[in-house]
Amino acid sequence: KAGVTQTPRYLIKTRGQQVTLSCSPISGHRSVSWYQQTPGQGLQFLFEYFSETQRNKGNFPGRFSGRQFSNSRSEMNVSTLELGDSALYLCASSLPSGGTDTQYFGPGTRLTVL
Amino acid sequence: QQQVKQSPQSLIVQKGGISIINCAYENTAFDYFPWYQQFPGKGPALLIAIRPDVSEKKEGRFTISFNKSAKQFSLHIMDSQPGDSATYFCAASMRDDKIIFGKGTRLHILP
Repeated sequence: KAGVTQTPRYLIKTRGQQVTLSCSPISGHRSVSWYQQTPGQGLQFLFEYFSETQRNKGNFPGRFSGRQFSNSRSEMNVSTLELGDSALYLCASSLPSGGTDTQYFGPGTRLTVL
Repeated sequence: QQQVKQSPQSLIVQKGGISIINCAYENTAFDYFPWYQQFPGKGPALLIAIRPDVSEKKEGRFTISFNKSAKQFSLHIMDSQPGDSATYFCAASMRDDKIIFGKGTRLHILP
């Protein structure tokens, strides 16, 4: 079974730009969660999508948004990029129970904002 | 109340020694406590998990100890090996809700 894939793996953007990251979950997984990982803050939950609906949301500003398609693939978008948005963005998929199911993480997208 | 506090931030252990990482939580509604292991350049992967109806779970060299009354849980790595060098995250969650991760412990095993 193929794992979680994320594209692109690396991105360099400048302040004020916007960016879209993509995540393809493991086949059969309907829950997709996004996390921001930074050295100082660890893994911070952004949001979770299940059946094309946002089921849970973390404490991030509205510049961070996401969506899920009918095939469970998900995208997240960050508008008006700030220097502090530089981080590793991880996507994880799981079975429908979400929080209490094993999260299978992708390798992440490394975003650098200049 | 949604926080999971993890310590230490970094840990150095001699090969063959015991590595211990501790976590504490506040929300008594949490009912699932996983540990994830992350190697450089990779996403985290589930290592071992426990539910609050048991006080200990062991898988190979990895053991979770769980103290429900103290709202604490810990990961013990017995006979630590250089290949165990990684970042470890504890976490807590409940069904259909988000997972709250600790800030991670960078473990280095000296050969």
